[in-house]
Amino acid sequence: DAGITQSPRHKVTETGTPVTLRCHQTENHRYMYWYRQDPGHGLRLIHYSYGVKDTDKGEVSDGYSVSRSKTEDFLLTLESATSSQTSVYFCASHGTTNEKLFFGSGTQLSVL
Amino acid sequence: QKEVEQDPGPLSVPEGAIVSLNCTYSNSAFQYFMWYRQYSRKGPELLMYTYSSGNKEDGRFTAQVDKSSKYISLFIRDSQPSDSATYLCAMSVEGAQKLVFGQGTRLTINP
Repeated sequence: DAGITQSPRHKVTETGTPVTLRCHQTENHRYMYWYRQDPGHGLRLIHYSYGVKDTDKGEVSDGYSVSRSKTEDFLLTLESATSSQTSVYFCASHGTTNEKLFFGSGTQLSVL
Repeated sequence: QKEVEQDPGPLSVPEGAIVSLNCTYSNSAFQYFMWYRQYSRKGPELLMYTYSSGNKEDGRFTAQVDKSSKYISLFIRDSQPSDSATYLCAMSVEGAQKLVFGQGTRLTINP
């Protein structure tokens, strides 16, 4: 399986603080994604990247920003965390369009 | 209306039963159809991958695509407790960068 690691695995933070989640892949995949997963909503796309410094918004991008300075790293930042951003966050990647998507193990984020 | 609809369940069946999981969709341009399995506290992993219509079999798992009805199914034969997980359908159009996911169906196989 593809090597995708997310850090941290768990994080508790306070409302209003900035938070950065990290995704690292060792497959030289071009495409990377950040999803959030919540009960009743399934997986929802936050942002994605189709190359270094090339990113675009997903369906739930408000309150989130991303950066991709290297092929292997994709960062998700919550500029000022809110309780509604409490969720499980998954990073995913694949090499070409319509190729299968590989997921990381997720980050459980709690905003108090 | 969501682009992909999937009954979230939960679905509970006895060990050995045949399980049928389904998704409907509205976008007739979808060409690639996938089923992901997600165990508790883990990331989704690809289970089945199908292009266009037809059936695909892999061991106890069979994926079916009926494009005329905009309906896909995943069948699990001789279900085992280890099959207990959430199953997500996903699909995309040709050349797409993004998948569209169903909500996921939570399945429990009882010993």
